[in-house]
Amino acid sequence: EVVLTQSPGTLSLSPGERATLSCRASRSVRSRFFDWYQQRPGQPPRLLIYSAFTRAAGIPDRFSGSGSGTDFTLTINRLEPEDFAVYYCQQYDSQPPYTFGQGTKVEMK
Amino acid sequence: QVQLQESGPGLVKPSESLSLTCTVSGGSINDIYWSWIRQAPGKGLEWLGYVHSNGEFSSNPSLRSRVSMSIDTSKNQVSLNLNSVTAADTAVYYCTKGSTGQYDPWGQGTLVTVSS
Repeated sequence: EVVLTQSPGTLSLSPGERATLSCRASRSVRSRFFDWYQQRPGQPPRLLIYSAFTRAAGIPDRFSGSGSGTDFTLTINRLEPEDFAVYYCQQYDSQPPYTFGQGTKVEMK
Repeated sequence: QVQLQESGPGLVKPSESLSLTCTVSGGSINDIYWSWIRQAPGKGLEWLGYVHSNGEFSSNPSLRSRVSMSIDTSKNQVSLNLNSVTAADTAVYYCTKGSTGQYDPWGQGTLVTVSS
């Protein structure tokens, strides 16, 4: 099983600042099998980034994904009030289970 | 656009079975993979498995033989059945479109509590 470790656990930032979220895999994951999700309180997760770099439909360009192998990053430029949420990474390379990270909470400072 | 709505009992007794239904509207259920993912209170996301209208099915090894999924194309519904539940199965259960990743869209989720 591929374990995904997200850091930091919580990120305290102000609107307009940049958020940098990390996800580290216990073994190498092919980029095309790596996604990011956003979950606002009381809401289901929403697909943000798929295949490590590609924004899902309707996702603003202030969200970007990067990385390869075991280290992936989600960057949110110029945080908007609606961006304060929990973010999960997910991998689906090789065999099940397809795993998620434990989440990074971006909270307002 | 496709919308998903989960439904089922909110309370299940330990050792009994949990059965949930996901109704798909705004699109066909055919030739598409559908997954179930759950989230224990205050916790992260756990993939449970996926099912396809052709009968293909895959599940999380951690659930062993407790889980099954099916599709009723006549009703545009996806079903989840989880046997021998314990308190550890208390979670919000989501259905979503997709097999292994790129899950989009998601239903709103339904909370299932396992308690006597």
